Amino acid sequence: GEEVAQTPKHLVRGEGQKAKLYCAPIKGHSYVFWYQQVLKNEFKFLISFQNENVFDETGMPKERFSAKCLPNSPCSLEIQATKLEDSAVYFCASSQSRPRDKNSPLHFGNGTRLTVT
Amino acid sequence: AQKVTQAQTEISVVEKEDVTLDCVYETRDTTYYLFWYKQPPSGELVFLIRRNSFDEQNEISGRYSWNFQKSTSSFNFTITASQVVDSAVYFCALSEASTGGFKTIFGAGTRLFVKA
Repeated sequence: GEEVAQTPKHLVRGEGQKAKLYCAPIKGHSYVFWYQQVLKNEFKFLISFQNENVFDETGMPKERFSAKCLPNSPCSLEIQATKLEDSAVYFCASSQSRPRDKNSPLHFGNGTRLTVT
Repeated sequence: AQKVTQAQTEISVVEKEDVTLDCVYETRDTTYYLFWYKQPPSGELVFLIRRNSFDEQNEISGRYSWNFQKSTSSFNFTITASQVVDSAVYFCALSEASTGGFKTIFGAGTRLFVKA
């Protein structure tokens, strides 16, 4: 597709439940990124992929967060045993080539709003 | 470590005023990339501009202009003759060549209100 598609748009989970978010990058884009935005404030980098390979996961709270980008499937971000502080909008972005290439900005999806109650 | 500071949390202007959004960054890399994104009330993120550290030319695009000053580590964004539709949160961002540009760090954002 021509845009990054994130599903669902909204997700409500009780504390302790699992949450799974999906992202279909723009066709032909090899790089995928996940960001967390809490209360419309700054974006926290979570993880980046080059195709199905994790490139940088330094932002991931590894004990509960995991992510995958498998061939021919949407990328996913999964949170096991959600906590109240996980409530945020999760943005996925993709880029065509290495982000350092001049004409390769990040294209963001519209985000998934996760509410943990 | 990389860091982006947007000291202005909120700015309110009246339509047709010019407004400048400040961005100061920190990085140890000699090659890095700077960005501005717009997040309107609808929530999506819109890419506005990218500037490479080795390209210090300022850029103008319609009512938007960007002033990159390497000496002061600043990448300020000016909107000329602001319009109500410019109301949004604007984010400045930085990524370093040492990470391949894979890790973009965002500032806290500046919320711009443009009143009619």
